Amino acid sequence: SAVISQKPSRDICQRGTSLTIQCQVDSQVTMMFWYRQQPGQSLTLIATANQGSEATYESGFVIDKFPISRPNLTFSTLTVSNMSPEDSSIYLCSVRSGAATNEKLFFGSGTQLSVL
Amino acid sequence: ILNVEQSPQSLHVQEGDSTNFTCSFPSSNFYALHWYRWETAKSPEALFVMTLNGDEKKKGRISATLNTKEGYSYLYIKGSQPEDSATYLCAFLGSQGNLIFGKGTKLSVKP
Repeated sequence: SAVISQKPSRDICQRGTSLTIQCQVDSQVTMMFWYRQQPGQSLTLIATANQGSEATYESGFVIDKFPISRPNLTFSTLTVSNMSPEDSSIYLCSVRSGAATNEKLFFGSGTQLSVL
Repeated sequence: ILNVEQSPQSLHVQEGDSTNFTCSFPSSNFYALHWYRWETAKSPEALFVMTLNGDEKKKGRISATLNTKEGYSYLYIKGSQPEDSATYLCAFLGSQGNLIFGKGTKLSVKP
């Protein structure tokens, strides 16, 4: 299993500003995943944060909008840049853990972001 | 585009009722099907990881079945309790390696 501390838990931000979300894992992991859930939508993978290399972004997400840092094997940040109301979502970080056929995701408690 | 559908979108039941909901997913390139429970203001928590057609898994009052040939999974809750109130997410893991989530079923159990 893995325990992930995520902060902030919520924030209300002004349009055009940026917010950085932090995640700390209680064990060393190769990959950390950043997800977003917009209102009424499914959890969607933004990017995979790899230690020692650039993050891998999913279709529709770009580094300029969602820069990611991964300075070591237990920590990552996601920045939501130049925010607009469409960025209002729950943001979650996660890691994978478990045996191959039973591998599952462990999540942080999420960041509820509202952009005015 | 891979699509994972969950129904119903929301469900309101009385304490003690049994309930079930559905997850539909692509029947090709299947690797695993995950179920998660997400309580408000908490982390989503894994319930089951299912890999074999015909799998049935149980955790307390919650159980799940899997049909990979027709592409669906059922989640059952027996004797619902208020603490079962949460959003239940299913996620399809295909050969491409990423989990594709449904929108979830939001369950409310009234005392």
